[in-house]
Amino acid sequence: DSGVTQTPKHLITATGQRVTLRCSPRSGDLSVYWYQQSLDQGLQFLIQYYNGEERAKGNILERFSAQQFPDLHSELNLSSLELGDSALYFCASSVVAGGAGELFFGEGSRLTVL
Amino acid sequence: QQQVKQSPQSLIVQKGGIPIINCAYENTAFDYFPWYQQFPGKGPALLIAIRPDVSEKKEGRFTISFNKSAKQFSLHIMDSQPGDSATYFCAARRDDKIIFGKGTRLHILP
Repeated sequence: DSGVTQTPKHLITATGQRVTLRCSPRSGDLSVYWYQQSLDQGLQFLIQYYNGEERAKGNILERFSAQQFPDLHSELNLSSLELGDSALYFCASSVVAGGAGELFFGEGSRLTVL
Repeated sequence: QQQVKQSPQSLIVQKGGIPIINCAYENTAFDYFPWYQQFPGKGPALLIAIRPDVSEKKEGRFTISFNKSAKQFSLHIMDSQPGDSATYFCAARRDDKIIFGKGTRLHILP
């Protein structure tokens, strides 16, 4: 158990809808990362927050947004969903920004868009 | 965004063999190179990592070889076991971004 909690574990929704994925980092970790995992693209970096502030951004679509709250949990919002958004979404946390390379991953939220 | 190229995509090795997974990068600003192991239904977990001023790092049966001039690094698994069957990701860090390769599905035959 990494200590990172992600909810929901599975989510099935329709195209055009909006979903919110939630992540609670390990106790004491200030940095949260979001990744999208698909079969052909591996782990794609989406965005990183450190202590409530956005620190780094990957190729995150404009339809996606995220935030980190004062209690350090984070939410990833996906809107106007398309079939291609179906993937496994991972949250990871680390103690400091950059985290010395060690990220602690949750078990992921599997999103299926029908 | 794909700045770390990983090969092969999949690999099948007999028990006791030495699977080798290779990664290449272009950005010389990367300063830390971890490998992550992922089992089905789980998130990736850090396996071993190396900094570019070191040419080799060994932890148990896992060894990273790093070639800074060639901008390549590889993971070797000695005396591989069926329990090593998993997906392996190399990664590279620059500032606050950690970029992953596309992964290698490794299967160790009993």
